[in-house]
Amino acid sequence: GESVGLHLPTLSVQEGDNSIINCAYSNSASDYFIWYKQESGKGPQFIIDIRSNMDKRQGQRVTVLLNKTVKHLSLQIAATQPGDSAVYFCAENRGSARQLTFGSGTQLTVLP
Amino acid sequence: DGGITQSPKYLFRKEGQNVTLSCEQNLNHDAMYWYRQDPGQGLRLIYYSQIVNDFQKGDIAEGYSVSREKKESFPLTVTSAQKNPTAFYLCASSAYRAAGNEQFFGPGTRLTVL
Repeated sequence: GESVGLHLPTLSVQEGDNSIINCAYSNSASDYFIWYKQESGKGPQFIIDIRSNMDKRQGQRVTVLLNKTVKHLSLQIAATQPGDSAVYFCAENRGSARQLTFGSGTQLTVLP
Repeated sequence: DGGITQSPKYLFRKEGQNVTLSCEQNLNHDAMYWYRQDPGQGLRLIYYSQIVNDFQKGDIAEGYSVSREKKESFPLTVTSAQKNPTAFYLCASSAYRAAGNEQFFGPGTRLTVL
């Protein structure tokens, strides 16, 4: 079956450094990808999305890169702040019902 | 304010009891979803609904039931047939678009079976 997975389950970075969270996907037909942020005990929050006809998209302090050749997605967070500490999920669109398949998540910890 | 609400935030259930989790949205979204999240895990799809009076099973529908009588509401019932119901339950909704499917999530309900 199709799956979305993450390379690293945990990531620790120093405050002020840049963070890079990676995600591999296997469904070459996926046409839409989303990054979500989930703080402890809360629902996921949308961060940024990208369509398959794009390679890069930038938001406020975040950039998503899509490499369709190797089926790889990454989220870059610039100048990481303590408030960025959370679990980050990538998700890919699947099927005509517009369902999303979620990866298992990466726990980002920002060190003082 | 537009958004998705879930209630209750915490729910305790005795074994053998059915419980219903509420999900309401005022975003005028057509599609609604229920996910289950276990500790340290990603989200797994239980049920989804693209339109009123219609819903489809997701990946882990056994032991759960839903209804979609109104566009705004998509309640989830966890039945006694669900063998391991303790989990964090998340409801989401999205507007149908030809491309893209950003889902907006509620705050979640944490269900604990005693």
